[in-house]
Amino acid sequence: DAKTTQPNSMESNEEEPVHLPCNHSTISGTDYIHWYRQLPSQGPEYVIHGLTSNVNNRMASLAIAEDRKSSTLILHRATLRDAAVYYCILEGANAGKSTFGDGTTLTVKP
Amino acid sequence: DGGITQSPKYLFRKEGQNVTLSCEQNLNHDAMYWYRQDPGQGLRLIYYSQIVNDFQKGDIAEGYSVSREKKESFPLTVTSAQKNPTAFYLCASSMPTVDKNIQYFGAGTRLSVL
Repeated sequence: DAKTTQPNSMESNEEEPVHLPCNHSTISGTDYIHWYRQLPSQGPEYVIHGLTSNVNNRMASLAIAEDRKSSTLILHRATLRDAAVYYCILEGANAGKSTFGDGTTLTVKP
Repeated sequence: DGGITQSPKYLFRKEGQNVTLSCEQNLNHDAMYWYRQDPGQGLRLIYYSQIVNDFQKGDIAEGYSVSREKKESFPLTVTSAQKNPTAFYLCASSMPTVDKNIQYFGAGTRLSVL
């Protein structure tokens, strides 16, 4: 199964943009890139997903490299409520194939 | 409200005891999952089910058992064979054929050993 690699931690100042990177060099052609975030003592929540093109939604933007071997989750203006662990995973066509690594712990400083 | 309901929120297990964690969804999702999360670590897949009356082992199935008798329910039993059960357990569901397998998670059950 394809795996992803993320930095263990990142820091940001409030109101500034945050770019969270993810490497997935073994991604297959049909894998979608999904991002989730997890607040302390809660279940993860879906943030955004994409296949090849960059994607925007109300929570974030997802920039996908042309070769699809990496992607970046962009929070345009970080708030204190964005402090969480962010997971980048690959989803195939069937359930049970995705792997959650340890994610990136984002700290937002006021 | 539609969603995933896990119960109880906190659970304590005695030595040699089996305990069952409940997971119910009203999203009409075909697939359901159980994950284990240890402090400071990511999620590890225990079991998953793509359809009623069928389930598959994940990466760490030893010491756990599941059933999927109804579409909306996927209970997890932590057996006495699981020697280190203290962890945060998360249940999720998804609709692989429709929603690009976006997973919706419950609030979790925190299991501790007495």
